[in-house]
Amino acid sequence: GAVVSQHPSRVICKSGTSVKIECRSLDFQATTMFWYRQFPKKSLMLMATSNEGSKATYEQGVEKDKFLINHASLTLSTLTVTSAHPEDSSFYICSARQLEDTEAFFGQGTRLTVV
Amino acid sequence: AQKITQTQPGMFVQEKEAVTLDCTYDTSDPSYGLFWYKQPSSGEMIFLIYQGSYDQQNATEGRYSLNFQKARKSANLVISASQLGDSAMYFCAMRGEGKLIFGQGTELSVKP
Repeated sequence: GAVVSQHPSRVICKSGTSVKIECRSLDFQATTMFWYRQFPKKSLMLMATSNEGSKATYEQGVEKDKFLINHASLTLSTLTVTSAHPEDSSFYICSARQLEDTEAFFGQGTRLTVV
Repeated sequence: AQKITQTQPGMFVQEKEAVTLDCTYDTSDPSYGLFWYKQPSSGEMIFLIYQGSYDQQNATEGRYSLNFQKARKSANLVISASQLGDSAMYFCAMRGEGKLIFGQGTELSVKP
């Protein structure tokens, strides 16, 4: 299958700082990327859907100013957690797909810990 | 709005036995896709099987098969001949209305 690379895999940051997570499609052009948040033993909660060149569509309850998503190219989307707090600690995972009716491929995930 | 539901938080199965993981869904989109993913403790999402809403036959991939009952809006995953390495979280997902959303997950434990 296609490869989606997500970095970093783990990050620890201080409360009040910002953290950027990158999601890259290595061997295909991703017109759509999804960002999810997952708590231990829980489901993947869709945070936002981003289409290349346009603003991300956020799910209800997700703060746009808190979780900044940029999808500037067909191979890269970034999620920036601004002014991070301990409650933002979680597993964040991205997925990317080329077309509407094609399979979405997942990054390895990023475990964020805010101290 | 679309919704996907997995009602089994945890399941146990004896090694070499078959197990069925349940998934029901709801959507107003006539064109949708249903997926099953496996998530081991490492966190990676491993694609297992896919069923399109217009597919006439149930999807199969090796030991995995998807029991698609469109009228009942269910898409259960059947794992045959369970192996110890099958122990993991399993998620049902639905593509529709421009999104990809997930069920609550089922934690499968395979007993030796």
